[in-house]
Amino acid sequence: GAGVSQTPSNKVTEKGKYVELRCDPISGHTALYWYRQSLGQGPEFLIYFQGTGAADDSGLPNDRFFAVRPEGSVSTLKIQRTERGDSAVYLCASSRLAASGELFFGEGSRLTVL
Amino acid sequence: AQKITQTQPGMFVQEKEAVTLDCTYDTSDQSYGLFWYKQPSSGEMIFLIYQGSYDEQNATEGRYSLNFQKARKSANLVISASQLGDSAMYFCAMRPNTGNQFYFGTGTSLTVIP
Repeated sequence: GAGVSQTPSNKVTEKGKYVELRCDPISGHTALYWYRQSLGQGPEFLIYFQGTGAADDSGLPNDRFFAVRPEGSVSTLKIQRTERGDSAVYLCASSRLAASGELFFGEGSRLTVL
Repeated sequence: AQKITQTQPGMFVQEKEAVTLDCTYDTSDQSYGLFWYKQPSSGEMIFLIYQGSYDEQNATEGRYSLNFQKARKSANLVISASQLGDSAMYFCAMRPNTGNQFYFGTGTSLTVIP
């Protein structure tokens, strides 16, 4: 497809489990972002990739969160030992250039930790 | 520190009327970009309009215009001739040109009344 694709669209898991969320950006977009959106809030920055490397991971809340983008395209956000407070919509966005241009968002992955 | 403030949690507008959604921002950066995004109930964030901090003219995109007042650090979105499909959450965002993060406000829920 032409847009940013995120899978799964919904994920329900139990506290303590491991979760992976996948993002497939728009072809040719070198910049990729992960954001987290809690109910009633705006998106909160987690991590930014330029190509394969994480150029800015200052938004990751703790070491349970990790993200990779091994080939500079698809990215996976990994959450270990999930907690109920991790429940949110995880948004992925891509951009053609790092220094300019708007973000193109996927529809998000809704994570619910029971 | 970067901060985006949207003081209107909810707004109502009559169909075909114009509406202004408020946004103020706080940044020490001299060069930055301002963005507005629409988030319908489907969850996907849709880019609406962009204003650069050095742009002298207010940005316009169809029925959307951005009322940019740099001295007041204000970037209000004006939607003219509202349509029922405009009902959604609207987020103001800023990206300093020295960095890569986009900072989002908490959003305004707009409801268009027939």
